[in-house]
Amino acid sequence: EDQVTQSPEALRLQEGESSSLNCSYTVSGLRGLFWYRQDPGKGPEFLFTLYSAGEEKEKERLKATLTKKESFLHITAPKPEDSATYLCAVQSTSGGSYIPTFGRGTSLIVHP
Amino acid sequence: KAGVTQTPRYLIKTRGQQVTLSCSPISGHRSVSWYQQTPGQGLQFLFEYFSETQRNKGNFPGRFSGRQFSNSRSEMNVSTLELGDSALYLCASSLVGMNTEAFFGQGTRLTVV
Repeated sequence: EDQVTQSPEALRLQEGESSSLNCSYTVSGLRGLFWYRQDPGKGPEFLFTLYSAGEEKEKERLKATLTKKESFLHITAPKPEDSATYLCAVQSTSGGSYIPTFGRGTSLIVHP
Repeated sequence: KAGVTQTPRYLIKTRGQQVTLSCSPISGHRSVSWYQQTPGQGLQFLFEYFSETQRNKGNFPGRFSGRQFSNSRSEMNVSTLELGDSALYLCASSLVGMNTEAFFGQGTRLTVV
């Protein structure tokens, strides 16, 4: 069974204080790993897809990296508008289905 | 372009009733997926429809069903509602499937009393 664990559950940062969110996963074979951002009362917003170990993707202050066991979402010099819950999801190659498994998310608050 | 539209946004139903939720995907997107989000279980996959066919199904009871129309719009139905069905139901559309970039709607907040 695919498993995704995100840590920490909650993170408070001061504006400009860089940090990283972790997504550890267990899958029989990784088809893809996804990062989403979710604001309160809204649906998740797609950020990145990573497919293979060593891959990195960047978008503004966010950078996602992938190893064979985990992914990191690095936030550089965060701003209050980066406050949100960040979700990680994996799709495995087993069974031929594309059913994603989501982590519980990391709630990020950035104080001005 | 217009995003994913879910209706209604909020719904209150009584235990034992049934409910139908609607999702209009982004124009040109053929895949629609449905998810249930609760504080206790997080985000869980319900099912995916592609070209009017259910392509993937999560681990939910048969009370949860869906369908997709020829214009890619999708509906989700929950029969014999239980208190535990109270959740945010999210729909996501993507061009060809769940392994591509998915765009989520704002969700339907269902409360069962």
